[in-house]
Amino acid sequence: EVQLVESGGGLIQPGGSLRLSCAASGFIFSTYSMNWVRQAPGKGLEWVSYISSSSSVIYYADSVKGRFTISRDNAKNSLYLQMHSLRDEDTALYYCTRDSSGFSYDYWGQGTLVTVSS
Amino acid sequence: SFEVTQPPSVSVSPGQTASIPCSGDKLRHKYVCWYKQKPGQSPVLVIYQNDKRPSGIPERFSGFNSGTTATLTISETQTMDEAEYYCQAWDSSSVVFGGGTKLTVL
Repeated sequence: EVQLVESGGGLIQPGGSLRLSCAASGFIFSTYSMNWVRQAPGKGLEWVSYISSSSSVIYYADSVKGRFTISRDNAKNSLYLQMHSLRDEDTALYYCTRDSSGFSYDYWGQGTLVTVSS
Repeated sequence: SFEVTQPPSVSVSPGQTASIPCSGDKLRHKYVCWYKQKPGQSPVLVIYQNDKRPSGIPERFSGFNSGTTATLTISETQTMDEAEYYCQAWDSSSVVFGGGTKLTVL
């Protein structure tokens, strides 16, 4: 069974840093591209970042470019999102997703909540 | 920048067909997919590559991309289909989601 389990969220002050993790299981992690997608409270979905299976290709949404860094450790079946210079508008539930055909996401984690507030 | 637009809400009577549009001027050469999200739950993929259904998704769900508008169609709509639906497309180096459509079955 495919599982994606996010962790690392919490309450952080504006300007602070946080590192999210996503533990993957039930599939060959090293063969799939992965993404982070977030959802602000009561709002819609927003794509954050993409990383290819070998980490050779990485993309970011303009809203996080220069502040967030996506990475992965295929030996540990883990995906990460390092977040710096956090802003109020980064408050959201952050989902880890597995990339499938045509850049669709066939599996989602349960999300980890990041709250940026003073 | 590339954008896709969805109506905020769609209503349908049980047993009828619901159609949820997703419009964008660059959809002709893009794959569109659709997600269903119920309150408090993670999104679920219901259509990918414009018109393909993942395993486990009922045949009542179908998709079509005309080039300027992608449409999610739910036939014989049931109360369990009531949810928020999001379209999504990939454009060069970024992913775009529609704002979501709340489907009400009443």
